[in-house]
Amino acid sequence: QQPVQSPQAVILREGEDAVINCSSSKALYSVHWYRQKHGEAPVFLMILLKGGEQKGHEKISASFNEKKQQSSLYLTASQLSYSGTYFCGTEGYTGNQFYFGTGTSLTVIP
Amino acid sequence: DAMVIQNPRYQVTQFGKPVTLSCSQTLNHNVMYWYQQKSSQAPKLLFHYYDKDFNNEADTPDNFQSRRPNTSFCFLDIRSPGLGDAAMYLCATSRGLEIEQYFGPGTRLTVT
Repeated sequence: QQPVQSPQAVILREGEDAVINCSSSKALYSVHWYRQKHGEAPVFLMILLKGGEQKGHEKISASFNEKKQQSSLYLTASQLSYSGTYFCGTEGYTGNQFYFGTGTSLTVIP
Repeated sequence: DAMVIQNPRYQVTQFGKPVTLSCSQTLNHNVMYWYQQKSSQAPKLLFHYYDKDFNNEADTPDNFQSRRPNTSFCFLDIRSPGLGDAAMYLCATSRGLEIEQYFGPGTRLTVT
């Protein structure tokens, strides 16, 4: 039930782009994205609801394909501050099911 | 201003000795969550309260209990901590379900 993220880890140079994918085996109502820096709590980035929407947040955007039960997070022109572990969080249609994905460690180097 | 506060930030307890972690919020949010996060893993939802309604995840051990005496406070009780319960415990709040969650700084629990 835990969503699977890919890649597990990625290293970027400043200014490069990255895509993080989140895939669920269950039908999804919504997808959240969070970033967690080492030793800190997760910080909310954005939420996408069913309907295949795409959202943007500065240079970070995301898409949600409800039919494929997948979401992708796009980071463009990465900055050093983007480093951290990115988690998707998914909610299904039934019950109170919120699961964080397996996580993607992203490191941006100068 | 701190919005989700967790005390203490670090807690050491002995094997089998009950321990209580606390969380308070100034956001007046309806939902409060407790997560367990072990090293290099994703946070795992233990349970949540929607107002006074308690919702337990199916695989949360009975050793973990929670109380929410009012809107602002929520407690996590571990009745008999084992070595495997050593982890970071995160509290989060949200205005409702399916809405962004705001996390506290966490309490790191060590079991000796």
